[in-house]
Amino acid sequence: NAGVTQTPKFQVLKTGQSMTLQCAQDMNHEYMSWYRQDPGMGLRLIHYSVGAGITDQGEVPNGYNVSRSTTEDFPLRLLSAAPSQTSVYFCASSYSWDLDNEQFFGPGTRLTVL
Amino acid sequence: GQQVMQIPQYQHVQEGEDFTTYCNSSTTLSNIQWYKQRPGGHPVFLIQLVKSGEVKKQKRLTFQFGEAKKNSSLHITATQTTDVGTYFCAGQDGNNRKLIWGLGTSLAVNP
Repeated sequence: NAGVTQTPKFQVLKTGQSMTLQCAQDMNHEYMSWYRQDPGMGLRLIHYSVGAGITDQGEVPNGYNVSRSTTEDFPLRLLSAAPSQTSVYFCASSYSWDLDNEQFFGPGTRLTVL
Repeated sequence: GQQVMQIPQYQHVQEGEDFTTYCNSSTTLSNIQWYKQRPGGHPVFLIQLVKSGEVKKQKRLTFQFGEAKKNSSLHITATQTTDVGTYFCAGQDGNNRKLIWGLGTSLAVNP
């Protein structure tokens, strides 16, 4: 199993550009989520999904969209990038939506917005 | 709102010294998880505690969950340079099932 994969590893955008961060897992996990990590801020939940076709907002959803058309994939879209979105983005998955089990994290995407 | 306070924010130790990080929640937790993130890496699951007063050990690491299920600690005995990284706790709120993350404790170890 590859676990949780994310692409790209690094990305530089200009303000106003759009892009999609890809996330995929091959463990048949129900729950998938996106976090951003900034110095001193820990991990902040952006969006999450408890199954295909179901998504919901986390604590910092503004400026980001998600969709979950399959169990495996959970892409994160930045519609109009802003410098405040410079961060490291982690995708995570877990077996159950109930979250009483291990979260598996992808390797991260390091995004810089100029 | 719901929060999990984690202290200290940073800890710098000499190799061989002990290290402890603490998490305190404002609400009762149904369980608490601990993760380690190496510099430049991603968080990796270490352990989950579920029962009140639970203590679990992994080699030099000892994890505790408080009797009231509102606090937890991670203790590392005789630190090594391989212990360097940031340690996060994540508590599951007993009411709404959401995962609440501490801000992490960054551990540096001088050889």
